[in-house]
Amino acid sequence: GAVVSQHPSRVICKSGTSVKIECRSLDFQATTMFWYRQFPKKSLMLMATSNEGSKATYEQGVEKDKFLINHASLTLSTLTVTSAHPEDSSFYICSAREELTEKETQYFGPGTRLLVL
Amino acid sequence: EDKVVQSPLSLVVHEGDTVTLNCSYEVTNFRSLLWYKQEKKAPTFLFMLTSSGIEKKSGRLSSILDKKELFSILNITATQTGDSAIYLCAVAAGNNRKLIWGLGTSLAVNP
Repeated sequence: GAVVSQHPSRVICKSGTSVKIECRSLDFQATTMFWYRQFPKKSLMLMATSNEGSKATYEQGVEKDKFLINHASLTLSTLTVTSAHPEDSSFYICSAREELTEKETQYFGPGTRLLVL
Repeated sequence: EDKVVQSPLSLVVHEGDTVTLNCSYEVTNFRSLLWYKQEKKAPTFLFMLTSSGIEKKSGRLSSILDKKELFSILNITATQTGDSAIYLCAVAAGNNRKLIWGLGTSLAVNP
């Protein structure tokens, strides 16, 4: 089946630093990847849609200069949390959609727990 | 506004019980409905449903979609403690096929 990896799985950083999270589709090509944020006991909140070769589409209320997204290839998207603050602490999850089949199924990476001190 | 509503929000059952989880939706340009299971990490895919009345099965789990009444159910028979998780329903809608998520049903199966 479709496998998505995400790295790192957990990161602790100081306030003011930037953190990069990688999302890779391992056995399929993903023109479109998605970045979600999840708070404890809450559902998934879509932050942005990452499009290979073009700019990401951000959801309302998500600062694009704060959450930089780069989708450099058909198998890799990165999310950089710039100048992280404690309120950015959260569970960040990426997903990828297999475009060849035109199905809507998104396959998720294992997530990254970010703690900003 | 597009929305997906799941019920119940939480459920506690004993091993061996059968549970039915509900997902209703109101969206523009429906494409498909998906069920995911989320344990401690990210969601894992269970089913994608596009046509009414066709049951999808995987072991003790099954799901069906009613596009006329705009809902889907997820059934789990002979529940086990390993079924304890949050079950998420999402609907793909619109030309961009973005997923609209429900809040999930938290299922706890006690031994």
